[in-house]
Amino acid sequence: QVHLQETGPGLVRPSETLTLTCSVSNYSIAIDYYWGWVRQSPGQGLEWIGSIFHSGAAYYNPSLESRVTISVDTSKNQFSLAVTSLTAADTAVYYCVRGGGLRLTMMLVAFWGQGTLVTVSS
Amino acid sequence: DIQMTQFPSTLSASVGDRVTITCRASQDIFSWLAWYQQKPGRAPNLLIYKASTLQSGVPSRFSGSGSGTEFTLTISSLQPDDFATYYCQHYSSSSQTFGQGTRVDIK
Repeated sequence: QVHLQETGPGLVRPSETLTLTCSVSNYSIAIDYYWGWVRQSPGQGLEWIGSIFHSGAAYYNPSLESRVTISVDTSKNQFSLAVTSLTAADTAVYYCVRGGGLRLTMMLVAFWGQGTLVTVSS
Repeated sequence: DIQMTQFPSTLSASVGDRVTITCRASQDIFSWLAWYQQKPGRAPNLLIYKASTLQSGVPSRFSGSGSGTEFTLTISSLQPDDFATYYCQHYSSSSQTFGQGTRVDIK
């Protein structure tokens, strides 16, 4: 069964850039599927950040698109998220996910990482 | 943007109860709707996709129905393991939106 694991800083200062990496095991991300990121602010609901296909084609939530970049490194079987110009509103648990194999299903998620809490604070 | 509205936001029920959660879309989304269950401190778990298709391994007491703008998730007989928060989600090639969630707690 595919396994996803997020790594990155737990604390980031306002205005800085957050970079998270998702390491995937038991499946080669170069073969198929969309890979993406979802976040959940403390006590709040779920928000799609963006998704990327193994080819590198990426799609983003319009509300975050100007600050977000998702990239894929098939040689390491990893994909990454960068979020710039952080504010306290970006404090959340960030999940990496595997979506479906079609653009239609890029955010139909059967596999989730355990999530990593990122706090934006000075 | 397509908005997804769930109700109720909180639901109190007892073991054995039949439970129904409603999700309404701001425009026609056909059957492109999924339901997830989330327990505290855990990632969500996919229950149903394409409005009514049960994900592999999910107990048959869960069912989904609806199309267009109104959808329901039904738990036929609530079990202790089912106390959790449930989210609907519209998915498509251009839009991904979650509902705000429905918390099911013990009466």
